[in-house]
Amino acid sequence: EVQLVESGGGLVQPGGSLRLSCAASGFTFSSYWMSWVRQAPGKGLEWVANIKQDGSEKYYVDSVKGRFTISRDNAKNSLYLQMNSLRAEDTAVYYCARDFGSTYYFDYWGQGTLVTVSS
Amino acid sequence: EIVLTQSPATLSLSPGERATLSCRASQSVSSYLAWYQQKPGQAPRLLIYDASNRATGIPARFSGSGSGTDFTLTISSLEPEDFAVYYCQQRSNWPPHFGQGTRLEIK
Repeated sequence: EVQLVESGGGLVQPGGSLRLSCAASGFTFSSYWMSWVRQAPGKGLEWVANIKQDGSEKYYVDSVKGRFTISRDNAKNSLYLQMNSLRAEDTAVYYCARDFGSTYYFDYWGQGTLVTVSS
Repeated sequence: EIVLTQSPATLSLSPGERATLSCRASQSVSSYLAWYQQKPGQAPRLLIYDASNRATGIPARFSGSGSGTDFTLTISSLEPEDFAVYYCQQRSNWPPHFGQGTRLEIK
């Protein structure tokens, strides 16, 4: 059974940093692109970033470029999102999601971890 | 950036009825459109990809149609568990982008 379990969310002050993790199991992690998708409270979904199977390619939505860094450790079946210079508008539930056949469709999602940026 | 507009914002129907949800793109996305279902407190679930292909394990009452700029998700006969928020998502242009959602509620 495919499982994605996020961790690392919490309350952080504006300008602060946080590192999210996603532990994957039930599939060959190293064979899939992976993404982070976020959802602000009561709002819709926003794709944030993704990373190629071997980590050689990474892409970001403009609003997080230069502040967020996506990475992965295939030996640990884990995906990460380092978030720096956090802003109030980054407050959201962050989901890790598996890319379905390198398509930018997302067939499996974790349950999400809440990041709250507030003073 | 392609904008996806979903309508209606809220749809009130009864179990057993047919639901028709719309997603309109600001420019052509060919057939590169997906539909997701999200229930309160849960992650989204992929229902349909490439406009009309059901994802693994999705019941046959869910179907998708359309191409270019106009797309439809149809639920042929609503079950109680189908009441949720539905999002469309395009992958034709980068970055991938979601619509604002349609809330399907029990009448």
